[in-house]
Amino acid sequence: QITLKESGPTLVKPTQTLTLTCTFSGFSLSTTGAGVGWFRQPPGKALEWLALIYWDDDRRYSPLLKSRLAIIKDTSRKQVVLTMTNMDPVDTATYYCAHYGSGTYYNPFAAFDIWGQGTMVTVSS
Amino acid sequence: DIVMTQSPLSLPVTPGEPASISCRSSQSLLHTNGYNYLIWYLHKSGQSPQLLMYLASNRASGVPDRFSGSGSGTDFSLKISGVEAEDVGVYYCMHALQTPMTFGQGTRLEIK
Repeated sequence: QITLKESGPTLVKPTQTLTLTCTFSGFSLSTTGAGVGWFRQPPGKALEWLALIYWDDDRRYSPLLKSRLAIIKDTSRKQVVLTMTNMDPVDTATYYCAHYGSGTYYNPFAAFDIWGQGTMVTVSS
Repeated sequence: DIVMTQSPLSLPVTPGEPASISCRSSQSLLHTNGYNYLIWYLHKSGQSPQLLMYLASNRASGVPDRFSGSGSGTDFSLKISGVEAEDVGVYYCMHALQTPMTFGQGTRLEIK
C-alpha cells in the first residue's frame, strides 16, 4: 500500500525559503518508472503542478517557478524534499506530494495515483 | 505549455441524472505509443485529489463504473451515468504528455 505524507512549516515569512518533505512508503524511488511530484492549491484556486523527480534523478520544474524550486530525493530514507526560495504571500497554499507511475512505452500509466494529505503553508510577516 | 480548458465550470445536477464535463487541450495529447495522456481527478473538500481516469479512458482502481472517460487528441470528456451525492466536488483534467503538466480550471459539481 502506497502512502505519502507532507511535512514542513505552516507559516513562513516573506523572502524566506520553504522546505517541504514528502515521506513515502509502499514503493521505491529506485524502481524504473517511479516518480514523486509536488503540487499546490492556493485558497479558492485550481491545482498547480510544481515539480517532479523520477527514479533516474531526472528533475522537472514548472517554468514559472523554476528559478525558485529545487527537488531532491533520498531513496534510502524514502523522502523527497522540495525547496522554494523567496516566498511571497501569493505562495500561500496547500502543498501536496504524489506518487507518479510512468509505466512503460507500450504499457503506460502516466498518472499521479496516490496523493498525500497535503500541508497548508501560509506566507505572512 | 499546453493549456487545458474545461467546461462547464459549474455543474448543478439532480441525483440520478447524468453529467458530462468537457476538457480541451491546446495541443494533441496523443503520444507516439497511441495513448492519450489525459487524466481526470476529483477533489473533494478537505481531501486530497482522487485519481478517476488515466490515459483518457482507463478507470483507476476502485472507481465506480458510473464514471467513464473518452476522447482523443485535443477533445476529451468525463461522464457520470447517474450522479450520486458522494460525487460532489471539483473535477480536474490534467495532461501528462510532457512537462510542465497542466490542469484545467476545474468543474465544480453540486447536487441540486
